[in-house]
Amino acid sequence: EIVLTQSPGTLSLSSGERATLSCRASRSISAGYLAWYQHKPGQAPRLLIYHASHRATGIPDRFSGSGSGTDFTLTISRLEPEDSAVYYCQQYGSSPPGPFGLGTKVEIK
Amino acid sequence: QVQLEQSGAEVKKPGASVKVSCRASGYPFSTYDINWLRQAPGQGLEWMGWTNPNNGDTGFAQKFQDRVTLTTTTSMATVDMELIRLTSDDTAVYYCARGVLSGYDTRGPQYYFDSWGQGTQVIVSS
Repeated sequence: EIVLTQSPGTLSLSSGERATLSCRASRSISAGYLAWYQHKPGQAPRLLIYHASHRATGIPDRFSGSGSGTDFTLTISRLEPEDSAVYYCQQYGSSPPGPFGLGTKVEIK
Repeated sequence: QVQLEQSGAEVKKPGASVKVSCRASGYPFSTYDINWLRQAPGQGLEWMGWTNPNNGDTGFAQKFQDRVTLTTTTSMATVDMELIRLTSDDTAVYYCARGVLSGYDTRGPQYYFDSWGQGTQVIVSS
């Protein structure tokens, strides 16, 4: 089973700054099948990125994904206060779907 | 607008069963598989299983295979998840999610999840 390691565990930045979140897989993810989700307390998780770099419907262009193989990155180019959340990556290049990473918590100072 | 609406919080005793419902709206119900995932306190998201509302096919993570049942009521656009023989380790928030199928391998379908329910808290405590 693929293990996903997300780093850092917590990221504390100011509004307008750039956030770079990492997701590293224990082995290569087939076809770049990696998704990113945003999860705020008490809310449903929200799909941000699929196929490593494709923004989901309605996602602002300040969110971007990149990477292939074992190393993937979610970038938030200009942080907004509403971006405070936990961000998870998920592989779907092999079945069963998941696992998910343990998440990166983004805090806005 | 795609929506998945889940039933309310549950408190159960060890050994009991729980049923959580997920009602879909805003899209043709039978065109996407419904998946169930959970998140225990302090843990990451864990995938549990899927069902095809069109034909009732199901598939489960190995650890849940003998404890989870997924039942579809097409007329209500609803999928129920029943988990039996509860222990304290089953305390978690349970989510239904619409699966976008990206392919199959020898072990089953490969999904990412484009719409999620709001989550149902299940507490197992004596």
